[in-house]
Formats: sequence, C-alpha cells, structure tokens
Amino acid sequence: SYVLTQPPSVSAAPGQTARITCGGHNLEFKSVHWYQQKPGQAPVLVVYDNTDRPSGIPERFSGSNSGNTATLTISRVEAGDEAGYYCQVWDSTSDLHVVFGGGTKLTVL
Amino acid sequence: QLQLLQSGPGLVRPSETLSLTCTVSGGSISSSPYYWDWIRQPPGEGLEWIGTIYYTGNAYYNPSLKSRVTMSRDMSESQISLKLGSVTAADTGVYFCARRHASATDYFDFWGQGSLVTVSS
Repeated sequence: SYVLTQPPSVSAAPGQTARITCGGHNLEFKSVHWYQQKPGQAPVLVVYDNTDRPSGIPERFSGSNSGNTATLTISRVEAGDEAGYYCQVWDSTSDLHVVFGGGTKLTVL
Repeated sequence: QLQLLQSGPGLVRPSETLSLTCTVSGGSISSSPYYWDWIRQPPGEGLEWIGTIYYTGNAYYNPSLKSRVTMSRDMSESQISLKLGSVTAADTGVYFCARRHASATDYFDFWGQGSLVTVSS
C-alpha cells in the first residue's frame, strides 16, 4: 500500500514560518490533505486538495505539492498552532484506500 | 452546522466486542457526495483508517481489520455504528467517526469528538 512519510517534529518561533513536509512516491499526482490535531481533540481539516482551505481556516495555512513532496506552510506562527499535523491521501489503486502520514508535532518555541 | 456525536462504552474486556455509535445531526447521512468512516488513534500514535460505510449500506474495511470489523447505519436514527470483535490491548485508543467528502480525492471534513476505548480485564 501507499506510504506517506512525515518528520516526527518541527519547531518554529512565534512570527516565523513553519514548513511540514509529507513524502510519497509520485505524490504530485495525488491530492494531499492536511489535518491539525491538538491534544485531546479531534483532527481538523486545514488544507484539502493540496492548496485549498476550508472556510474558517486562516490564510496563514497554505499547501503545495510537487514531485515526491507535499508541504504545509504555516506563516506567522502563533502559540495556538502548536499541534500535531497529519497529511492524508486517497489511494483508489490499493486495498487501503485512506492513507495517513505518521504525523508531525509542531512545537512553537 | 453538521455535528457528529459519538457514544459507547469506554472499557471493553479482551476477546469481547467493541461497539460505538455516531449520531449525525444537522445533515443527512444519505446526502451525496458524503460517506461515513471510522478512524482510530492508539495512545501517542498516528491515525489509522478503519473503514467506511456508504449510504447504500455497503461497507469497505481496512484489510488489516477486515475479519473483525462490521459497520452499519440506521437511516431512521441518523446513526453510524462500529463493531470490532475479538479485541485485544492493541485495540486500545481513541476512535473517531468522520464524514468523508467523496470526490476522487476524498478527505474528512467533519469529525466526531472521539471516544477513548480501553481494552482491559
């Protein structure tokens, strides 16, 4: 089945930019979705279809996807952005249709 | 506003069956292009997809759990249900129901609050 690889942790100071990567074979040919999960809470969709934001998600959250890597970029990082972030794709070619990355913990310094 | 409210026991004994229900309000479980999924998260770990149920009642499961999982839906009660049999400690974790937006690039746009299930005698 398809595999998505994320770094376990990323850190950024308030006001700086955080970039969280998600790697997969020929990932650019898939649509990548990103979720934010704070401790004790359910995940929240922050980016879908590589670059789109659901209503209510700040413009500070943006996504890109090229080659084998998708990236979630959080601009002007705030303390409230500290959370786990997961990438996800839909893989209709395998038996495991829904694939999540292992997750990245963003620490705001 | 769509809401997914989960319910079910928080403690299940080994070898028994885990049962959870997700009640959907503010929308219909038969609306297109939406399907309904269960996802779980072991303590301190990442997300694992369990399976999906379509409004037709057909279901599709994670191959690694397929032999133990049953999902169903009750249209009259607007509920989605999950049963996981022969549980072990490895099935301990938080279980989420979620609405999947089906569009060939499927993603989850609404989630339940999560249910912590502990498997222990």
